[in-house]
Amino acid sequence: NAGVTQTPKFQVLKTGQSMTLQCAQDMNHEYMSWYRQDPGMGLRLIHYSVGAGITDQGEVPNGYNVSRSTTEDFPLRLLSAAPSQTSVYFCASRSRAASSYEQYFGPGTRLTVT
Amino acid sequence: DAKTTQPNSMESNEEEPVHLPCNHSTISGTDYIHWYRQLPSQGPEYVIHGLTSNVNNRMASLAIAEDRKSSTLILHRATLRDAAVYYCILSSSGGSNYKLTFGKGTLLTVNP
Repeated sequence: NAGVTQTPKFQVLKTGQSMTLQCAQDMNHEYMSWYRQDPGMGLRLIHYSVGAGITDQGEVPNGYNVSRSTTEDFPLRLLSAAPSQTSVYFCASRSRAASSYEQYFGPGTRLTVT
Repeated sequence: DAKTTQPNSMESNEEEPVHLPCNHSTISGTDYIHWYRQLPSQGPEYVIHGLTSNVNNRMASLAIAEDRKSSTLILHRATLRDAAVYYCILSSSGGSNYKLTFGKGTLLTVNP
């Protein structure tokens, strides 16, 4: 299994540009989430999904959109990039099984907005 | 969600045990205690979790106080590869525990 994969690894955007961060998992996990991590801080939840077609907002959703058309993929869209969105973005997935508590994280996408 | 308090940083020597403390005085009866760690330039990885009883796995042990207001992650023999930020996180049982709230964690430095 590849686990959770994220592309791209690095990205530089200009203010106002849009882009999509890709996340995929091959573990058939129902739950997927997006987090952002600013320098010296812990991770903050942006959006999450409990299954295909179902998404909801996390702690810091403004400026981001998500959709979940398949179990495997959970892309994060930046609508109009701002310098405040400079951060490292992590995608995570987890099985819905009650006995499973481990979240699996991807390697991250480092985004710089100038 | 109930909050956790961890020291900002700790230091250890290689091959010695490390005890990483976490206070969670407002923990509720259904909150699980999770530990994740984040190696430099990587995503977080799961370490261990527990509810009331002490837990052991291949990576670490988790000691939970009887009143559950604190817990300690124990690395039995620290290696250089254990240098990371360690996060203590509470989440309720059931479906909502996919939403993890990360604090700043404890930066563990391991000296050779």
